[in-house]
Amino acid sequence: DGGITQSPKYLFRKEGQNVTLSCEQNLNHDAMYWYRQDPGQGLRLIYYSQIVNDFQKGDIAEGYSVSREKKESFPLTVTSAQKNPTAFYLCASKASGGAGQYFGPGTRLTVT
Amino acid sequence: AQSVTQLDSQVPVFEEAPVELRCNYSSSVSVYLFWYVQYPNQGLQLLLKYLSGSTLVKGINGFEAEFNKSQTSFHLRKPSVHISDTAEYFCAVSDRDTDKLIFGTGTRLQVFP
Repeated sequence: DGGITQSPKYLFRKEGQNVTLSCEQNLNHDAMYWYRQDPGQGLRLIYYSQIVNDFQKGDIAEGYSVSREKKESFPLTVTSAQKNPTAFYLCASKASGGAGQYFGPGTRLTVT
Repeated sequence: AQSVTQLDSQVPVFEEAPVELRCNYSSSVSVYLFWYVQYPNQGLQLLLKYLSGSTLVKGINGFEAEFNKSQTSFHLRKPSVHISDTAEYFCAVSDRDTDKLIFGTGTRLQVFP
């Protein structure tokens, strides 16, 4: 089955630690996106990549980093510089020339 | 800059009643419009999208939406809801050049028996 996988579903970390969230897709989509979701705020764009080895900052990139070494993979690192990292993180992808993004199941990160 | 406003944060409704979830957008350029549904602790699922053409768009699960350019609205409707429709619904807009999605803050639809 084609789709987007995110792992793990739940992640717990201590404050001050960096953590990397995985996102893999086998849809052959060119573009991939990372969003953060907080209660009552909808989804906010962190980073996006429209092609391998290239990515752009979204609206709330501070404290996050990404890489896009392979078309299928777009991992997100939440660094210790992110002041409020506890949130639900969603990865999405989109076909080149298509409209509408397709979402993974999400990773809920809790930092204490 | 584009923005999306979902006027109702919560909409309670009884099973088999009709429902309308409201969405207004602002943009200075032509846009694509989307409705997504999110069940608890899950990702977003695309319900329907408006790209061009007919202003009435039909989606999955019996939902439909109507694009109204003069009122800059894209309201979501269903003539008869089920308990299983209880979820969070997000309206989103993307401009045709950047493909970035701007989301509204969501409307929680709660269907009661």
